[in-house]
Amino acid sequence: DIQMTQSPSSLSASVGDRVTITCRASQNISSYLNWYQQKPGKAPEFLIYTASSLQSGVPSRFSGSGSGTDFTLTISSLQPEDYATYYCQQSYSTPAVTFGGGTKVEIK
Amino acid sequence: EVQLVESGGGLVQPGGSLRLSCAASGFIFSSYEMNWVRQAPGKGLEWLSYISSSGSTIYYADSVKGRFTISRDNAKNSLYLQMNSLRAEDTAVYYCARPRIITTYWYFDLWGRGTLVTVSS
Repeated sequence: DIQMTQSPSSLSASVGDRVTITCRASQNISSYLNWYQQKPGKAPEFLIYTASSLQSGVPSRFSGSGSGTDFTLTISSLQPEDYATYYCQQSYSTPAVTFGGGTKVEIK
Repeated sequence: EVQLVESGGGLVQPGGSLRLSCAASGFIFSSYEMNWVRQAPGKGLEWLSYISSSGSTIYYADSVKGRFTISRDNAKNSLYLQMNSLRAEDTAVYYCARPRIITTYWYFDLWGRGTLVTVSS
């Protein structure tokens, strides 16, 4: 199985801050990497696919980068509605996809 | 409206069984592969099972293989998960999720709201 490791597991940031979340795969997954946002009590929502392609309607302050084993999700200027938990997910070994452990973004 | 709605969750004793349903609407259900994903309380997301659009191809995570059975009824626009021999560690919110596939790239673009399964005596 491909293991996905996210860091940090949580972070505190202020509105307007630049936030970076990293995701590491246990093997080369090329660009088969997706990102999701989940708010408390809600289902995950899809943000980014193929490591860097933004889903339609997702604000441009979100961006993704990376390939191979190391990936990054960046929020360029944190907004109040961005406080949530973020998950990476590899789709290299579909349908047996795996998710990272999540990064909770909290208000500082 | 394009949506997935899960049902069938509840409290069940260890060793018991439960059948979850996922009702699809607003899209051609029979054209889509489908999946079940779960999330234990306060934990991350875990993929459980996949079924092809026709139902002919099925996969399971090792954690549920031999205990859970995925199925679908395209005439009823419904996806199912039969869960047997339930354990405390199966306590979670269960989501059905639809993948979008672009060439070889695959991501979940539609999720239900989830249904909570609690396994406890």
